[in-house]
Amino acid sequence: GAVVSQHPSRVICKSGTSVKIECRSLDFQATTMFWYRQFPKQSLMLMATSNEGSKATYEQGVEKDKFLINHASLTLSTLTVTSAHPEDSSFYICSARDQEGQGETDTQYFGPGTRLTVL
Amino acid sequence: GQNIDQPTEMTATEGAIVQINCTYQTSGFNGLFWYQQHAGEAPTFLSYNVLDGLEEKGRFSSFLSRSKGYSYLLLKELQMKDSASYLCAVMDSNYQLIWGAGTKLIIKP
Repeated sequence: GAVVSQHPSRVICKSGTSVKIECRSLDFQATTMFWYRQFPKQSLMLMATSNEGSKATYEQGVEKDKFLINHASLTLSTLTVTSAHPEDSSFYICSARDQEGQGETDTQYFGPGTRLTVL
Repeated sequence: GQNIDQPTEMTATEGAIVQINCTYQTSGFNGLFWYQQHAGEAPTFLSYNVLDGLEEKGRFSSFLSRSKGYSYLLLKELQMKDSASYLCAVMDSNYQLIWGAGTKLIIKP
């Protein structure tokens, strides 16, 4: 089946630094990728929808200048948490939509997540 | 390798009961999650099992057997709004989520 990877799997950084998280679709092309944030035992909170070659669409309440998204190719989207603070510590999950019919057109494949800890 | 298996699609009748199975093979185990996802929406958390047994929450129940690498989600008194995809995910020893492909549940009147 379709595979989505994330890198790094976990990162610890100091407050004020920036962290980049990569999301890759390994065996399919994804014109649309999604970035989620998850708190323990809670629903995934959609942060933004990333479209290849265009600007990301952010959900209400998500600061676009703080969470920079770049979707430069059909297999890679990146989320950069700029000037990270302890409250940004969370589990970040990406997903990619398979556009070429491996599943249904709205099938999403989820990445394993990136655990960010800001000290 | 790590693997999560769940049926691709299931059909059930309104008012009935349906059981969605999930089997897994992962490197370590730190809990199993069930999510509900309606088309175009973010997954909604339904349950988390880390110990063997049945967890009941209203119309939804989730069961886990770690020795068998098996879980199921039981939905009772099905309603039309329960039509959705149901995702099984296991957190492995590195606290990474391994996702199943999801089960599309179709509810018929």
